[in-house]
Amino acid sequence: KNEVEQSPQNLTAQEGEFITINCSYSVGISALHWLQQHPGGGIVSLFMLSSGKKKHGRLIATINIQEKHSSLHITASHPRDSAVYICAVEENSGTYKYIFGTGTRLKVLA
Amino acid sequence: DAGVTQSPTHLIKTRGQQVTLRCSPKSGHDTVSWYQQALGQGPQFIFQYYEEEERQRGNFPDRFSGHQFPNYSSELNVNALLLGDSALYLCASSRFGTEYSNQPQHFGDGTRLSIL
Repeated sequence: KNEVEQSPQNLTAQEGEFITINCSYSVGISALHWLQQHPGGGIVSLFMLSSGKKKHGRLIATINIQEKHSSLHITASHPRDSAVYICAVEENSGTYKYIFGTGTRLKVLA
Repeated sequence: DAGVTQSPTHLIKTRGQQVTLRCSPKSGHDTVSWYQQALGQGPQFIFQYYEEEERQRGNFPDRFSGHQFPNYSSELNVNALLLGDSALYLCASSRFGTEYSNQPQHFGDGTRLSIL
């Protein structure tokens, strides 16, 4: 069993839909990261969470430390949101050694 | 301000050969981590360099080695290439220190390595 599990693996949505991607982890962590990877391969950091909730534009990330679960929400989805969304955890603060999930491939149709 | 840059972007090698991949960290960063991402999988941590020394290592064989230079740039070397080494190799940089631990790593666009 992977230390970081994501669901769903693939997701197709219509433009404007509300999207939720889930991440569960089995290790103790100092932080959880949500990242976005476009087809070219480059990875962009979206959120870094250790507790609670963060919002940036149409993106919202939440984490429940007790349940070892995090969610990434996209409101009013748009075709430009199409990408792979990856959850990663950092076991010890400041180590920058990430343990990644396998990613959720999102396609938003116009 | 340039971000993390990697070279080359694509590379084709044959089994048994050796390869060197290069990474320049974001300006102001001093720590470089390398990851291997197989097709359809999440990245796997290979190792990390700080102060020209390997600071952490993942579960990769000794065929994978690295180096960090005084200007903080880094190389990843892979010897005796296997078909299974075909992957996207990602470099990420960060700044060492507890005062920076609340900041995420910055990733490059990766080098796609294909082994024939």
